[in-house]
Amino acid sequence: SQKIEQNSEALNIQEGKTATLTCNYTNYSPAYLQWYRQDPGRGPVFLLLIRENEKEKRKERLKVTFDTTLKQSLFHITASQPADSATYLCALLISSGSARQLTFGSGTQLTVLP
Amino acid sequence: EPEVTQTPSHQVTQMGQEVILRCVPISNHLYFYWYRQILGQKVEFLVSFYNNEISEKSEIFDDQFSVERPDGSNFTLKIRSTKLEDSAMYFCASRADSRGDTQYFGPGTRLTVL
Repeated sequence: SQKIEQNSEALNIQEGKTATLTCNYTNYSPAYLQWYRQDPGRGPVFLLLIRENEKEKRKERLKVTFDTTLKQSLFHITASQPADSATYLCALLISSGSARQLTFGSGTQLTVLP
Repeated sequence: EPEVTQTPSHQVTQMGQEVILRCVPISNHLYFYWYRQILGQKVEFLVSFYNNEISEKSEIFDDQFSVERPDGSNFTLKIRSTKLEDSAMYFCASRADSRGDTQYFGPGTRLTVL
């Protein structure tokens, strides 16, 4: 069966450290993978997109890697701050059609402790 | 910065009643989506809409659901006869065009069915 798994439901780290979140998938061949941030009671906010032919993407303190052989993406937040505390969702584009709906993982709730 | 807006933010209804959730996608975007998130669960795809017709829909999107773009700005989701299990956050998203990969989400409507 097809699955998307994010490494843990909750992750606590100290301020200033690097947070690393994992997204693993099975039985999918995604064209690309996106990471979103979701705060309680709010909609997902787009952070980064990485395509199947890309190994790494960066945006300010954020870095995403994509290994299609391992079927895994890693999402890093460097120099983490309490304001980074949120749930982070990975989402795969599965359909090759024009609709391009996203399939989401269940998310990892990150807490950055001051 | 342009954003997707949704109204109302919270809708309470009685089981069996019809509800209409409204969305204003980002101006000039061409692809529109509805997703839902039951409390504590994953974000799930419902339907995609392009060129005034449904392009893809999930198995959740049964005959009780319909979508419409009644004018040049609004995009609506109608649930004809609500059930208790329809209680969820409903998110609208839009995407620019066939070359744009990123979906931008609205803040959501919390639907509570009593």
